Amino acid sequence: DAKTTQPNSMESNEEEPVHLPCNHSTISGTDYIHWYRQLPSQGPEYVIHGLTSNVNNRMASLAIAEDRKSSTLILHRATLRDAAVYYCILRDVVQGAQKLVFGQGTRLTINP
Amino acid sequence: DTGVSQDPRHKITKRGQNVTFRCDPISEHNRLYWYRQTLGQGPEFLTYFQNEAQLEKSRLLSDRFSAERPKGSFSTLEIQRTEQGDSAMYLCASRPGTANTGELFFGEGSRLTVL
Repeated sequence: DAKTTQPNSMESNEEEPVHLPCNHSTISGTDYIHWYRQLPSQGPEYVIHGLTSNVNNRMASLAIAEDRKSSTLILHRATLRDAAVYYCILRDVVQGAQKLVFGQGTRLTINP
Repeated sequence: DTGVSQDPRHKITKRGQNVTFRCDPISEHNRLYWYRQTLGQGPEFLTYFQNEAQLEKSRLLSDRFSAERPKGSFSTLEIQRTEQGDSAMYLCASRPGTANTGELFFGEGSRLTVL
């Protein structure tokens, strides 16, 4: 599986936008970019995924670089409930990869 | 609650004992996954089922570990002769067979402490 690199931790303030970066320089053409987050004492939770185009949903936006070697998860207006570990994961759907391979993720702290 | 259900949520056992965890996936999800997560680490893949067939196993799944999904619905993960290194959160996830890019739905996990 292609690797991703994320900062260990980030900090932001409540009601401000948060940009969580992810580098994936060895991404293949058929790797989808997935983001999950894990709140304290809970299982991971799906946030968003994309292939080439930017994606928006009710939780967040995913901005994918033109060369696909990096992406950014954008939380438009952080709340205290967004404090979690955020995982950026690549999955080669075409090759039939069924599992998600989690890294260490980015621990996001939100200040009131 | 129609989410992924895991039982028990917490288990404390003595070294050498056997433990079993149960996972009830979301109804009609034919793909089921087990992960293990130790403190401060991301979840690590253990095994994957499509219906009742166990299609992939990680080398982390030593011979003391066995997982089953006998009727393609709920699954069990058994750990025999537990060791202190088995202390972790055991997470179950499921997803439907369609929409291969689809999300995994995780349960809240079963936390194992081996004394």
